[in-house]
Amino acid sequence: SQTIHQWPATLVQPVGSPLSLECTVEGTSNPNLYWYRQAAGRGLQLLFYSIGIDQISSEVPQNLSASRPQDRQFILSSKKLLLSDSGFYLCAWSSKVGQGNTEAFFGQGTRLTVV
Amino acid sequence: DQQVKQNSPSLSVQEGRISILNCDYTNSMFDYFLWYKKYPAEGPTFLISISSIKDKNEDGRFTVFLNKSAKHLSLHIVPSQPGDSAVYFCAARENRDDKIIFGKGTRLHILP
Repeated sequence: SQTIHQWPATLVQPVGSPLSLECTVEGTSNPNLYWYRQAAGRGLQLLFYSIGIDQISSEVPQNLSASRPQDRQFILSSKKLLLSDSGFYLCAWSSKVGQGNTEAFFGQGTRLTVV
Repeated sequence: DQQVKQNSPSLSVQEGRISILNCDYTNSMFDYFLWYKKYPAEGPTFLISISSIKDKNEDGRFTVFLNKSAKHLSLHIVPSQPGDSAVYFCAARENRDDKIIFGKGTRLHILP
């Protein structure tokens, strides 16, 4: 069966510090991968999505970047965090169109607080 | 520009009654619509989906209705139970690139 791992669960970082959140998927190959952020009153905002290694689309202008160094690994990064980067970050995966279920499966999330 | 809209931030329903959660969309390229349930500090869990070529899908207490001409879908939960209290997200997938877009969510309170 497929599983998705996201860590850490919580993180408190000072303004201006770097960020690296990691997400890995097991039990599937060539998944679509997503990073979402849930901020108060904003719902689930799509930040990045990737259909393959080094194929990443950025959905909103922001202080963050994403990388996919391996097929089932998706990393969210920042060189210098801002207060506005605080939020609940969620990684998700889905099958390609026609290759499985249509839904996305989520990790447990990372609560990031920038102080 | 919001492509998936949930205009009701919250909804309160008596236990045992029907809960109806609504969602509107603007993008004609969406081919699947999904509903998720989310508890605080957890990832969303998938509930039910519907293809754009169908108008109804049922799974136990959950039924999703799609009105393509109105670009509207709704999730019906009947009967509502206390454990249904959570935030419900409507989502849609684009057929071009598998992108999945979420609405802002509706917080459902089931009253005893």
